[in-house]
Amino acid sequence: QSALTQPASVSGSPGQSITISCTGTSSDVGAYEYVSWYQQHPGKAPKLMLYEVSNRPSGVSNRFSGSKSGNTASLTISGLQAEDEADYYCSSYTRSSTRVFGGGTKLTVL
Amino acid sequence: EVQLLESGGGLVQPGGSLRLSCAASGFTFSSFAMNWVRQAPGKGLEWVSAISGSDGSTYYADSVKGRFTISRDNSKNTLYLQMNSLRAEDTAVYSCARSGGGYARRLDYWGQGTLVTVSS
Repeated sequence: QSALTQPASVSGSPGQSITISCTGTSSDVGAYEYVSWYQQHPGKAPKLMLYEVSNRPSGVSNRFSGSKSGNTASLTISGLQAEDEADYYCSSYTRSSTRVFGGGTKLTVL
Repeated sequence: EVQLLESGGGLVQPGGSLRLSCAASGFTFSSFAMNWVRQAPGKGLEWVSAISGSDGSTYYADSVKGRFTISRDNSKNTLYLQMNSLRAEDTAVYSCARSGGGYARRLDYWGQGTLVTVSS
């Protein structure tokens, strides 16, 4: 049950786009379409941003989009805003019927 | 409104035990799988355990298998995590989260968490 691999940090200026990658294996990310992404502001509970690779829950901005190719999933945030500054975690269901998270990526809006 | 409220955290010595609770409201508790996720201070999220809504099937991370037991009481809308043989590396905020749309699909609601500190 190794954690999925995410970059430790990414940054961008307001209005720009950024992409966060999430690399797993053929036993998790590559096995199912059950990749989800969570946003966490300091001291707050995580918030579901995308599920099943690219689906947005009600209320989540369409500036957030997702994709997957092979064992790597990606989260793209377009039109960066100051409020997007947070930690982002990917997660995947696994062939072992468990769940695994990525190590997290700190997004800084410059 | 979906609400999840954890309790039971605290300071415990290595080797000790603790039972966490998660009180759920605002949805039909028995229809949803539930999870425990932890976050060590300054670290990332780690999935700990899950239990199905109906048949009570349970799932565990390797790091806690054999030491932690997840359970639920659907009549009380409450999720539990019994933690035994606690280690310093179990120190974390423990949060419960609902599996929306089926066990595998997503964690759509989260509680604020309860802090467990394992230290002598």
